[in-house]
Amino acid sequence: EVQLVQSGAEVKKPGESLKISCKGSGYSFSSYWIGWVRQMPGKGLEWMGIIFPGDSDTTYSPSFQGQVTISADKSISTAYLQWSSLQASDTAMYYCARLIGQYNGFDIWGQGTMVTVSS
Amino acid sequence: QSVLTQPPSASGTPGQRVTISCSGSSSNIGGNPVNWYQQLPGTAPKLLIYINNQRPSGVPDRFSGSKSGTSASLAISGLQSEDEADYYCAAWDDSLSGYVFGTGTKVTVL
Repeated sequence: EVQLVQSGAEVKKPGESLKISCKGSGYSFSSYWIGWVRQMPGKGLEWMGIIFPGDSDTTYSPSFQGQVTISADKSISTAYLQWSSLQASDTAMYYCARLIGQYNGFDIWGQGTMVTVSS
Repeated sequence: QSVLTQPPSASGTPGQRVTISCSGSSSNIGGNPVNWYQQLPGTAPKLLIYINNQRPSGVPDRFSGSKSGTSASLAISGLQSEDEADYYCAAWDDSLSGYVFGTGTKVTVL
């Protein structure tokens, strides 16, 4: 079965760092772009960026450039999203998803990782 | 801030046809295919339509997509209670060199 499994929910304080993960299985992880999508409480979907695990080529949304870092380790079929200094406004659900071609959309989604930042 | 605009809500009774619009520009919908996602309450989004009007395996043919110029539409015919969800359009944006989602439409089955 093709799936993406994300790491569990996190509760952090402002200023702390965090790295969440997304592990793929059931397909050639290195061959498909992985994207990250933010959904703030009660709000819509926001595209954050994508990475090609085969060579770690990464593209960020202008809204998230410099705010987060997207990385991947193809040897363990895992993509990451990390923050160096969290803010309360980073409180959201974060989804990873597989991109089946630039125009074909995200066909497989992780279950989501809820990140709560509160003092 | 999304560059694809959708109505915030839509509704219908069981069996009715509901249509959701998605308005963009030449840099996204006007030049690239449109995808649609369904997000049931408390779950991850699901790809519903890709490349304007293609349905992934398992998606009922009650769902159909179309595109004209810089706008796209999703139609749900024979509305069912399980269709109550949020729906998002999306497309690649050449100006942003990235993927953009619509503002989302909440469909309510009356």
